[in-house]
Amino acid sequence: EVQLVESGGGLVQPGRSLKLSCAASGFTFSNYYMAWVRQAPKKGLEWVATISTSGSRTYYPDSVKGRFTISRDNAKSSLYLQMNSLKSEDTATYYCARGQYRYNYDYWGQGVMVTVSS
Amino acid sequence: EIVLTQSPTTMAASPGEKVTLTCRASSSVSYMHWYQQRSGTSPKLWIYETSKLASGVPNRFSGSGSGTSYSLTINSMETEDAATYYCQQGSSYPPITFGSGTKLEIK
Repeated sequence: EVQLVESGGGLVQPGRSLKLSCAASGFTFSNYYMAWVRQAPKKGLEWVATISTSGSRTYYPDSVKGRFTISRDNAKSSLYLQMNSLKSEDTATYYCARGQYRYNYDYWGQGVMVTVSS
Repeated sequence: EIVLTQSPTTMAASPGEKVTLTCRASSSVSYMHWYQQRSGTSPKLWIYETSKLASGVPNRFSGSGSGTSYSLTINSMETEDAATYYCQQGSSYPPITFGSGTKLEIK
């Protein structure tokens, strides 16, 4: 059974950093692109980052480029999101998702809440 | 960046009613994916590559479209179909973009 379990969320002050983790199991992690998608309270879905199977290629939208870094450890079947210079508008539930052909996401974690507030 | 506009924003349907949700892209895309999100839960892939049903999705659901106009149809609404549905494109990437969602309620 495919499982994605996020951790590392919490309350953080504006301008500070936080690192999210996603532990994957039930599939060969190294064979899949992975992504982070977020959802602000009562809002829609927003793509945050994607990483290739080896980790050599990463992609971000302009809203987080230069502040967020996605990475992976295939030996540990783990995905990470380093978030720096956090802003109040980064407050959201962050989902880890498995990428498929043509960039759809077929499995999602339960999500982890990040609140940026002083 | 391709902007996806979903309509309607909210709607209510009676059990047994046929429902059509629409997603329009600001530029032509090659395919569309759809997700279902029930209240308080994670999104689930529902329809991929425009018309393929994800595993476990009932066959009362269907997807169609091309170019800038795509739709998700429920042949006969059931109570369990009440959820928010999001469209998503990956044709013009990056960035991946999602529509703002259609909230479907049971009447």
